[in-house]
Amino acid sequence: QSVLTQPPSASGTPGQRVTISCSGSRSNIGNRTVNWYQQLPGTAPKLLIYRNIQRPLGVPDRFSGSKSGTSASLAISGLQSEDEADYYCSAWDDSLNGWVFGGGTKLTVL
Amino acid sequence: QVQLQESGPGLVKASETLSLTCSVSGDSISFYNWAWIRQPAGKGLEWIGRTHSSGSTSYNSALKSRVNVSVDKSKNHFSLTLSSVTAADTAVYYCARVLEGLFGGSSGWFDTWGQGIVVTVS
Repeated sequence: QSVLTQPPSASGTPGQRVTISCSGSRSNIGNRTVNWYQQLPGTAPKLLIYRNIQRPLGVPDRFSGSKSGTSASLAISGLQSEDEADYYCSAWDDSLNGWVFGGGTKLTVL
Repeated sequence: QVQLQESGPGLVKASETLSLTCSVSGDSISFYNWAWIRQPAGKGLEWIGRTHSSGSTSYNSALKSRVNVSVDKSKNHFSLTLSSVTAADTAVYYCARVLEGLFGGSSGWFDTWGQGIVVTVS
């Protein structure tokens, strides 16, 4: 049981916009910034979004993050086949005194 | 550009101690926090522990009694030991660099990851 809650799966067709939600609590998302990681099959996770909305250099602007209260979302617009991956949200938890992750969302491009 | 590389035995016997090293190249280990994260096959990510060259550490409370993370500045690497392992510790183990501290409501983030090392407990 993960501290942050994500839907186990999401899907879309090429060109569509999909969103992935991440629900937490006051001790993590409510008080802290949220980060998102993309894990392509068979590879290490890669930082996708940090500080709720910031994209590292090289990440396309098709990827965007948002946060409201104790929830956050990752949006992917103009969906492409190469976006098929697992996506994880993460935040520091002040009660647990450590980083917590969501269970991950497997995105399928139909 | 900083690069991380995990190394260590891929097979550990149950009840023994797992020991891994993360070699850092392209930057000094002294400037950042460093972390270990693991992922059982087909499952999600779990943070294990964090260390800084100053010696400060923090650990996942679920693993705290068995974990130690330390830095060797002379070798520019950091290490993980996990004692009394069981089959539940079988996973891919990743090392990562942490950017930004935990001030001002920040969570920090793992900006660079190693490729991961598969560890099986038999």
